[in-house]
Amino acid sequence: DAKTTQPNSMESNEEEPVHLPCNHSTISGTDYIHWYRQLPSQGPEYVIHGLTSNVNNRMASLAIAEDRKSSTLILHRATLRDAAVYYCILTPRGSGGSNYKLTFGKGTLLTVNP
Amino acid sequence: NAGVTQTPKFRVLKTGQSMTLLCAQDMNHEYMYWYRQDPGMGLRLIHYSVGEGTTAKGEVPDGYNVSRLKKQNFLLGLESAAPSQTSVYFCASTQTPGQGGNGELFFGEGSRLTVL
Repeated sequence: DAKTTQPNSMESNEEEPVHLPCNHSTISGTDYIHWYRQLPSQGPEYVIHGLTSNVNNRMASLAIAEDRKSSTLILHRATLRDAAVYYCILTPRGSGGSNYKLTFGKGTLLTVNP
Repeated sequence: NAGVTQTPKFRVLKTGQSMTLLCAQDMNHEYMYWYRQDPGMGLRLIHYSVGEGTTAKGEVPDGYNVSRLKKQNFLLGLESAAPSQTSVYFCASTQTPGQGGNGELFFGEGSRLTVL
């Protein structure tokens, strides 16, 4: 199983940008990079994903290194509501019947200070 | 469109009792997963299914059984509950990029199980 490595915790101030790193040195050529976040007492929710190019959506931006061995989730202006655990996982391209074992690490606990 | 629905949401069991958690998805997804999350910990994969009639072991399968008799449902069973199985259980489903989806996992709201 392809694995990811993230810092256990990070801290930010409200309205400042936050850069959450993820290392995935064993990524294969067809693996997607997905990010999820889990707010307190809630289930995980999708944030963003990418394959090779940087991606933007209304929630965040994803910057992917040229060699794809690392990525960074960028929250442009952190709010108190962004305080959560952020998970980065590798997702195979997959096809019918193939092994698709999706595992999570411990993620990064983001604390946002007012 | 309900997405992923888990039942029950809360349950208290005594040691040795059995129970089944039901996960239902209405998105026609091929892949379904059961995770457990203990306090302050990440998600750990229990079992998963890559299609109707198939199941496979995850990282922590001991003490659990699963069945996927219908594509939309994934059942997680505890035959003889133990206090160590006290946890929050999350079900998720996805359609892979190779099957026309984007690999996004859709999660249920969770089922909180306490074993006394």
